[in-house]
Amino acid sequence: AQKVTQAQTEISVVEKEDVTLDCVYETRDTTYYLFWYKQPPSGELVFLIRRNSFDEQNEISGRYSWNFQKSTSSFNFTITASQVVDSAVYFCALSEVMEYGNKLVFGAGTILRVKS
Amino acid sequence: DSGVTQTPKHLITATGQRVTLRCSPRSGDLSVYWYQQSLDQGLQFLIHYYNGEERAKGNILERFSAQQFPDLHSELNLSSLELGDSALYFCASSVASRAGGYTFGSGTRLTVV
Repeated sequence: AQKVTQAQTEISVVEKEDVTLDCVYETRDTTYYLFWYKQPPSGELVFLIRRNSFDEQNEISGRYSWNFQKSTSSFNFTITASQVVDSAVYFCALSEVMEYGNKLVFGAGTILRVKS
Repeated sequence: DSGVTQTPKHLITATGQRVTLRCSPRSGDLSVYWYQQSLDQGLQFLIHYYNGEERAKGNILERFSAQQFPDLHSELNLSSLELGDSALYFCASSVASRAGGYTFGSGTRLTVV
């Protein structure tokens, strides 16, 4: 069965520090997708990134970057120069393909607190 | 605005009652998924509908049921509510059946008192 582990329950940093959120996954599928979502205090789930299992290139989007390593089944997320607005719960998720769609298996989430 | 509309945003009800949560998917999306986010279980998949038919079930209780209507909107019915059903319920929609990734609505926060 698919599994996603986010070992860091909570991280606190001071503004402008860099922070990395870890994500380790388990799957037997050869084709799968990995995701990161942000859940701010308002509660909605904000999509950050989707990565195909065949694409191991790292990705950078502004202050956000993602490191996908298939060899270690990890998909880590780094925020550079963190800001107070980055405070949220971050979820890593793995797709599990079903016959007519796919479901997401979420990790437990990492609470990020950025202090000014 | 994600394009996925969930109503109501908040719901407070008593134990033993029944409620209906509604989801309107993005225009053109045929798939609707329901997820529950609770403190003890985290975010978990409940059920999937594709083009009006139930396609997959997750950890959905027998007291819960759902349907997708011809106009593709979906409803999640929760009955005989218990305190433990208090959670944030998300709906998501997708156009591609297997490509991965979909858009979540803003959720319905259910509080059972």
